[in-house]
Amino acid sequence: NAGVTQTPKFQVLKTGQSMTLQCAQDMNHNSMYWYRQDPGMGLRLIYYSASEGTTDKGEVPNGYNVSRLNKREFSLRLESAAPSQTSVYFCATRAGQGNYGYTFGSGTRLTVV
Amino acid sequence: GEDVEQSLFLSVREGDSSVINCTYTDSSSTYLYWYKQEPGAGLQLLTYIFSNMDMKQDQRLTVLLNKKDKHLSLRIADTQTGDSAIYFCAELRGNKLVFGAGTILRVKS
Repeated sequence: NAGVTQTPKFQVLKTGQSMTLQCAQDMNHNSMYWYRQDPGMGLRLIYYSASEGTTDKGEVPNGYNVSRLNKREFSLRLESAAPSQTSVYFCATRAGQGNYGYTFGSGTRLTVV
Repeated sequence: GEDVEQSLFLSVREGDSSVINCTYTDSSSTYLYWYKQEPGAGLQLLTYIFSNMDMKQDQRLTVLLNKKDKHLSLRIADTQTGDSAIYFCAELRGNKLVFGAGTILRVKS
């Protein structure tokens, strides 16, 4: 039972390169989220998917796109990476209504040079 | 305002109690959470409280909620070196969590 799996764990990109961060969950949760974590700024929501087939912008969506491929998978794409996108990216899932908090993946540490 | 706010740093001695504070913003009924992040890891849910409760205790953890002041605190009794981490409070708004910037807890032996 893996929970929330993120790949890759580490990545270095050159400015202008593209890449896709992958997130997969085996908990049958409806909602999935992408956050970025920067020192002193906590976690900021990039995009989320309340259910399969829907995606919505969060607080900091510029420079990113997402795909909710199916109920299990939610990917984050950087089309043209910039140094300002150097960060740690976390995928999270949530079961649904009520007191359910998030279950987090272990993160992807991305450096753009 | 929109922010969930936390103090940035707390240093305690091993065996003492730690109190980490947070203020939130939503005045409607909601859930409030505490997460722990160890170095190089994701966030781990510690506990949560519904906004109509005043207190919740779970082993060494006590959550206190002052709804009038929108103030939330996490008390860790008998703090151990393994408690050194970043602690985040979070507020549920709709179906999204809004996080504070995190409090770095350093435990000195």
